[in-house]
Amino acid sequence: GAGVSQSPSNKVTEKGKDVELRCDPISGHTALYWYRQSLGQGLEFLIYFQGNSAPDKSGLPSDRFSAERTGGSVSTLTIQRTQQEDSAVYLCASSLGMDQPQHFGDGTRLSIL
Amino acid sequence: GNSVTQMEGPVTLSEEAFLTINCTYTATGYPSLFWYVQYPGEGLQLLLKATKADDKGSNKGFEATYRKETTSFHLEKGSVQVSDSAVYFCALLNRDDKIIFGKGTRLHILP
Repeated sequence: GAGVSQSPSNKVTEKGKDVELRCDPISGHTALYWYRQSLGQGLEFLIYFQGNSAPDKSGLPSDRFSAERTGGSVSTLTIQRTQQEDSAVYLCASSLGMDQPQHFGDGTRLSIL
Repeated sequence: GNSVTQMEGPVTLSEEAFLTINCTYTATGYPSLFWYVQYPGEGLQLLLKATKADDKGSNKGFEATYRKETTSFHLEKGSVQVSDSAVYFCALLNRDDKIIFGKGTRLHILP
């Protein structure tokens, strides 16, 4: 389909490993967002991209988290030296512009053992 | 399956008007319900939530009551302001800990 695609859908890894989460936005959507949903909680906003630029990285939980976007399309969220508290569902969304409704992917469920 | 249906926008109101944005859901069990708001140029923010039937969530003058009998969680505000112009998302958190969003309703408030 033409929706937001995230991969992998599930990821189980050992504490201390690095993980990379991928988001393919809807074609033509210039804005892309990353969120985290911890167990039983609502969404926590992490970062957004307008094109390839992320103007505000203050929502990232720690310096172990980084995100990039290339070609105004695919984005990756990287977590280095994972900790158990990183276990969550990571959601990606995209929109035509920053003032347009967001379309969400199905998320990546990350479990840190 | 689980789903959220909310009224399509855009909704345009004058300042100080009464606001209702309808939201209904289908879910197994007893999900938690949320309203999120996306202000221009920002990511989603949690506006309010309710975790069980008959709970009322409220914040910034907005209210929504968890109605199990009608499977609804309508968002209301008695007197809207220009600064309330945003996109509003209804969402549910199901028992598999998966959050499901409605499509969003754009709200324009005219001065």
